[in-house]
Amino acid sequence: NAGVTQTPKFQVLKTGQSMTLQCAQDMNHNSMYWYRQDPGMGLRLIYYSASEGTTDKGEVPNGYNVSRLNKREFSLRLESAAPSQTSVYFCASPLWRGCTDTQYFGPGTRLTVL
Amino acid sequence: AQRVTQPEKLLSVFKGAPVELKCNYSYSGSPELFWYVQYSRQRLQLLLRHISRESIKGFTADLNKGETSFHLKKPFAQEEDSAMYYCALSSPTGNQFYFGTGTSLTVIP
Repeated sequence: NAGVTQTPKFQVLKTGQSMTLQCAQDMNHNSMYWYRQDPGMGLRLIYYSASEGTTDKGEVPNGYNVSRLNKREFSLRLESAAPSQTSVYFCASPLWRGCTDTQYFGPGTRLTVL
Repeated sequence: AQRVTQPEKLLSVFKGAPVELKCNYSYSGSPELFWYVQYSRQRLQLLLRHISRESIKGFTADLNKGETSFHLKKPFAQEEDSAMYYCALSSPTGNQFYFGTGTSLTVIP
């Protein structure tokens, strides 16, 4: 049981390049999230998926797209990277109300856009 | 609107001293409150949640609905408690999470 896994761990892009961050969970949770963590800003929700086949915008969705490929996988895509997207990205599979499961976060992806 | 506020970015205490990390929130309805911790070079992990009323690693947090606060406390700080702490709020359905900006705790030997 690996919990939540993310790839890659590190990435450097040039402005305008595209890339996809991959996330997978093996806990059979319905919901999955993508966050970004910036100094002084805390964790901010980019997109979330309440169930397979559904996605919704969070606080800071501009410049990103997501895809819930199946129940296990939730990918985050940057179509045209900008320096403002330099951040640490976390995928998470959250706690459900009334559920005893613990929320799990992936190890994070450190992205630098030059 | 800022839903979760952690007023202290940095907090330093001496080993053995009590520690309190402050968290205030604003949300209509009945949210659920959490504390998360991130140790150096490790992934973010859940520390405790108010609905379970548990004590983890000596930390406790009481939800005060009147003051809309969920402060994290420990009577005797240890060096291994040095980490980044995030207060978080979940909507009643569990589909939305809001995090505070975090407090970096340093326990001085």
